[in-house]
Formats: sequence, structure tokens, C-alpha cells
Amino acid sequence: GQNIDQPTEMTATEGAIVQINCTYQTSGFNGLFWYQQHAGEAPTFLSYNVLDGLEEKGRFSSFLSRSKGYSYLLLKELQMKDSASYLCAVSNSNYQLIWGAGTKLIIKP
Amino acid sequence: TAGITQAPTSQILAAGRSMTLRCTQDMRHNAMYWYRQDLGLGLRLIHYSNTAGTTGKGEVPDGYSVSRANTDDFPLTLASAVPSQTSVYFCASSDSAGGNSPLHFGNGTRLTVT
Repeated sequence: GQNIDQPTEMTATEGAIVQINCTYQTSGFNGLFWYQQHAGEAPTFLSYNVLDGLEEKGRFSSFLSRSKGYSYLLLKELQMKDSASYLCAVSNSNYQLIWGAGTKLIIKP
Repeated sequence: TAGITQAPTSQILAAGRSMTLRCTQDMRHNAMYWYRQDLGLGLRLIHYSNTAGTTGKGEVPDGYSVSRANTDDFPLTLASAVPSQTSVYFCASSDSAGGNSPLHFGNGTRLTVT
């Protein structure tokens, strides 16, 4: 089967750094996405990785290792508004998106 | 503001009744999707359309139907609702159907089937 694993919930402190991991087992790989979803709202696109390495975008960075089936989203200088769920999704060989259940990130002052 | 509009925002529906969830986008995206989101589960694809005039089944299509008469509209119909269809439904679109284009989501429809 195909599956995406991410931690259910994480807690971090305002101003700190947090890393949200995502491991995947899919039939083929055509890219990995990270989305942010605030409670009661729609998911919004954060990042896309298709090659190994780190992609940096402001306070957010996303890393991919295809050989390990592993990605992480790194959030720096955490702000209260970063409290949200973070969804990992992989595009498989058929270009179908396989979604993780999401990681709920709680930011404490 | 460009984007995707879903209606209604929420609905309580009696089991056995039918309902159409509306979705309209103004970005001229080719591909559109319907997902359901349930607690503890990843987004699950119900139906999709790679371009106007074509539709396809996703992971959980049973009990749902869609149509894509034009580029902008992609309604989802529940012919005879059951309690297990209680969920939050998201419509999404992407520039291409290649699976490597980011999805743009509507604000969702929260449906409760009683």
C-alpha cells in the first residue's frame, strides 16, 4: 500500500525552531508538497520538492531525501500565527497525490 | 480576488436527501478536484477532472457524482446522503493535471448528514 507518516501533534515555543518530519512509501515519486491549514480554513501551498536537498523560502524550509523516503519542514523564528496543521503530500508515479493526516503544530508563548 | 468559491459554507442534510455542492474557479485552471477531509485521515480524493468535459474517479467515489460542463464549474452531487458522508468537503484546482502543480483550495463545505 501507499502511506504517508507524520507526527499527529507537536508543540513548540514562540521564537524557536521546529522540524516536522514526513516519511513516505508510495508507488513511484514525482514530487512532495507541504501545505499549511489553519483550523477551519482551507489548506494553502507552502513548498514543493522534487530533487534532493533543501529549499528555503523565508522562515520556512523544506528538505527532501528520495533515497530515504523522507522530508521535513523546518519553521524558524516561530510566530503564534504559525499554529496550524501541516500537511505532507506525495505525487506518485501516476501523478496521484497521496496525503498524510497532517501534523497539528501548537505554538506556546 | 481570484480563487475558488464553494457554496454552501455549511449544511445539515437529512439522510436519503440529495444535495449539490457548488464549486466555481476564476483562475482558468484546467484541473479540478473534490476532496473530503475527516478527522485523523489525510485528504481523500472523491472525483477529479483534468479538463472541461472529462471526469474521473478518485479514491472514494461511491455515493458521489460530478460534472464538468465548462472550465469554471465543478459541482459535486450526493444522490442519497448517508451519515458516513458527514465531512468537510474541499474543492481544489490546479493549473495542470500533471500532479506537480500546487493545488488551490476553496474554503470548504461542512456537511452533516443526520
